[in-house]
Amino acid sequence: RKEVEQDPGPFNVPEGATVAFNCTYSNSASQSFFWYRQDCRKEPKLLMSVYSSGNEDGRFTAQLNRASQYISLLIRDSKLSDSATYLCVVNPRQYQGAQKLVFGQGTRLTINP
Amino acid sequence: DVKVTQSSRYLVKRTGEKVFLECVQDMDHENMFWYRQDPGLGLRLIYFSYDVKMKEKGDIPEGYSVSREKKERFSLILESASTNQTSMYLCASSSGLAVYNEQFFGPGTRLTVL
Repeated sequence: RKEVEQDPGPFNVPEGATVAFNCTYSNSASQSFFWYRQDCRKEPKLLMSVYSSGNEDGRFTAQLNRASQYISLLIRDSKLSDSATYLCVVNPRQYQGAQKLVFGQGTRLTINP
Repeated sequence: DVKVTQSSRYLVKRTGEKVFLECVQDMDHENMFWYRQDPGLGLRLIYFSYDVKMKEKGDIPEGYSVSREKKERFSLILESASTNQTSMYLCASSSGLAVYNEQFFGPGTRLTVL
């Protein structure tokens, strides 16, 4: 079983729609969680961190369910510019030094006009 | 703005060649990482470093080595390149030990081994 699993998609949705992604992780001791965004032929960039209480940033809402070991990302009122690959990222905290991250393979999203 | 730069965007090498990929960050970050990204497999950690001259193996270190002689520079070395090392290589850096520290990525080097 992969440490971080997410549906690779692709998801094709019309502009203005609401879209949600889920991601599951296998290590129950994982310490921190993130969504990164990767545009085509670009490097990944942090979209938002995911906290236990859930958090919102504009049209984006992230939630964490530790009991079921999944993370979700909700995008409301989607824009053409939201087209990208969304990477679910987990810090398994197996090492006491630098914070290693484990990346899911990404979910590809295309917003259609 | 944090800036992570990589020495080449595209590189073509022949099987058996020794390959050096260089990464430089300008934000005085303690931690640096090398990943490779392949379709269907996502990003996989090759090596990382939490201090000068320190290095730790990631999930797929076989066939690679690293060097960190200065805080701002982290080099990935392919001792004898093979075709299965054709991939996109991404360098990243982050500061400190806090669990929510962001990793900042360079633009990547697309390496083709013929």
